[in-house]
Amino acid sequence: GNSVTQMEGPVTLSEEAFLTINCTYTATGYPSLFWYVQYPGEGLQLLLKATKADDKGSNKGFEATYRKETTSFHLEKGSVQVSDSAVYFCALRGNYGGSQGNLIFGKGTKLSVKP
Amino acid sequence: DSGVTQTPKHLITATGQRVTLRCSPRSGDLSVYWYQQSLDQGLQFLIQYYNGEERAKGNILERFSAQQFPDLHSELNLSSLELGDSALYFCASSVSPTGTYEQYFGPGTRLTVT
Repeated sequence: GNSVTQMEGPVTLSEEAFLTINCTYTATGYPSLFWYVQYPGEGLQLLLKATKADDKGSNKGFEATYRKETTSFHLEKGSVQVSDSAVYFCALRGNYGGSQGNLIFGKGTKLSVKP
Repeated sequence: DSGVTQTPKHLITATGQRVTLRCSPRSGDLSVYWYQQSLDQGLQFLIQYYNGEERAKGNILERFSAQQFPDLHSELNLSSLELGDSALYFCASSVSPTGTYEQYFGPGTRLTVT
C-alpha cells in the first residue's frame, strides 16, 4: 500500500541555517504530494504541494520538488527563522481507487530553530 | 483560522465510556475527513464522508463510528474507550472528495482517557 517515510528528528538549527527534511514515498500510480506544518497547539496547515512529477511546490521560502525517479519530496528552506519552529509532515494522496481523498502522512519532523 | 471548527477542544473521560466529537466543515465544503494523531501511530486516516455518505474507511476501530448530517457537520463517536484511544482527533474538510483540492484542518479535539 501507499506509505510515506520522513526523517523523524528532532532537528535543531540556528537561525539562518539551511534546512532539509527528507521525505520518500511508496505509491501506486501518480500520487499528489504535500507538506503540512503544525505549530504548537494548532491544527495542520498546508505548506506546499505538488501534483505531478518535476513539479516544484513553494511557499514562505520553503520548496519541495516532486521527484518520481527517486520517489522523493524533500523539504528545503535556505534560511530558517525562529518562527519556523514547528512539526512538519510529509503526506501523499493517491489518485486512484477508493481511497482517492484521504491523506497518508509521515511520522512528522519536529524542527526547533534557536536565535 | 482554517474555517473548520471542532468541539470540544479537550475531553477527559474514563475507560469504558462513550464520547462524541463534533466537526463543522468550512462553508461550501462537502467532504469531511477524520484523522487520529497519537504518539504511537502518528497521524492516521479514520474515515471520510461526502455529502452525507460514507466514502472511504481507513484504520477505524469497530468501537468508533461517524456520520455526516444534512447540514454537513460531522460527528465521530468513540465507545468502550480504552487508554490507548487517548489522542488528538482532527477533522478536515475539502470541496471535493478527490483530486488535488486542499484539505483544511480544524484545531483538533484532545481526548484523554484515564
